[in-house]
Amino acid sequence: ILNVEQSPQSLHVQEGDSTNFTCSFPSSNFYALHWYRWETAKSPEALFVMTLNGDEKKKGRISATLNTKEGYSYLYIKGSQPEDSATYLCAIYSNYQLIWGAGTKLIIKP
Amino acid sequence: SAVISQKPSRDICQRGTSLTIQCQVDSQVTMMFWYRQQPGQSLTLIATANQGSEATYESGFVIDKFPISRPNLTFSTLTVSNMSPEDSSIYLCSVEVSGSETGELFFGEGSRLTVL
Repeated sequence: ILNVEQSPQSLHVQEGDSTNFTCSFPSSNFYALHWYRWETAKSPEALFVMTLNGDEKKKGRISATLNTKEGYSYLYIKGSQPEDSATYLCAIYSNYQLIWGAGTKLIIKP
Repeated sequence: SAVISQKPSRDICQRGTSLTIQCQVDSQVTMMFWYRQQPGQSLTLIATANQGSEATYESGFVIDKFPISRPNLTFSTLTVSNMSPEDSSIYLCSVEVSGSETGELFFGEGSRLTVL
């Protein structure tokens, strides 16, 4: 059974600080990795989909890296803002199914 | 992109009752997916709803507990039957992004159920 681990489970960050968190996954049968942002009372929204080892993607102040050989991805947020407060979900796509982590809940303190 | 509307957005239910969650998509889609997220847990796929055929349930989920309807290509319902406090979760409806080869999904806003 594939297991996707996210750490930390929750995180408090001061506004303006940068932060990062981790998604770990088994590297066998890997096809793609997804990052989603899920704000309270809203739909989970796709941030990145990455497939290649060494991939780096960026959207504004948020970026992500992928290491498929060692089975991890980092999500970075630069200069955190209150609107970054959300749960960040990671999922891997393997054997035509998405396997989800439990998420990292990020709270930005003004 | 797809716009997905779910209702109710939240509800508080009594043990032993049943609740039906509705999901409406603004475009025709072949498959709709129902997920739940229990507190502190990962998103878990309950079932895949196909139009014109019975839903396909994942291990640990059964039709008697989670009956699903899929009357057309834009609408589906999930019923949570005979609820217990363990059914307190966020239930999400989703559809696959058209043309995606990596399983990318659009989601509804979720239905937060609390069972007392």
